[in-house]
Amino acid sequence: GAVVSQHPSWVICKSGTSVKIECRSLDFQATTMFWYRQFPKQSLMLMATSNEGSKATYEQGVEKDKFLINHASLTLSTLTVTSAHPEDSSFYICSGSGTERSQPQHFGDGTRLSIL
Amino acid sequence: GQQVMQIPQYQHVQEGEDFTTYCNSSTTLSNIQWYKQRPGGHPVFLIQLVKSGEVKKQKRLTFQFGEAKKNSSLHITATQTTDVGTYFCAGLSGSARQLTFGSGTQLTVLP
Repeated sequence: GAVVSQHPSWVICKSGTSVKIECRSLDFQATTMFWYRQFPKQSLMLMATSNEGSKATYEQGVEKDKFLINHASLTLSTLTVTSAHPEDSSFYICSGSGTERSQPQHFGDGTRLSIL
Repeated sequence: GQQVMQIPQYQHVQEGEDFTTYCNSSTTLSNIQWYKQRPGGHPVFLIQLVKSGEVKKQKRLTFQFGEAKKNSSLHITATQTTDVGTYFCAGLSGSARQLTFGSGTQLTVLP
């Protein structure tokens, strides 16, 4: 099946640091990539949708200057959490999907971000 | 905006008992997908339902899509400890590409 690689798996850093998370589709071209945030025992909350070569579309309430998304190729999307603070600590998960709208999403392993 | 509700939030069952989780959407869906997330893991795609009234089976798992395409259910027969995890439904509606995830049902199977 389709594989999405996400790293790093864990990040622990000081408040004020910027953190970059990479998401790669290994065996398919991810026309669209999605970035989610998940708090403990809660559902996945969509943060933004990115299409290769264009600006990401952010969900309401998500600061685009805080969460920078780049989707430079059909196999790579990155999320940078700028000047992270403790309230940004969460589980961030990316997923990739092909050209068909109804195709299932293939998720990366997620990144656990802890800001001290 | 679209909302997808899922019940129950938690379910504890004895190994061998059956389990069902229900999903209801505030809007008509074009399709519904089900995912399983193991503790500490990421969501894994299980199945997709597209047609009104559709029923699909995967071994002990039975998935249904309602006639009105606004609700869905997942039923597990004779649960096993390997079934432990959180089950999410996720719906697509209109022309959107974004999935709206349900709140999830966390299943615990007691040996």
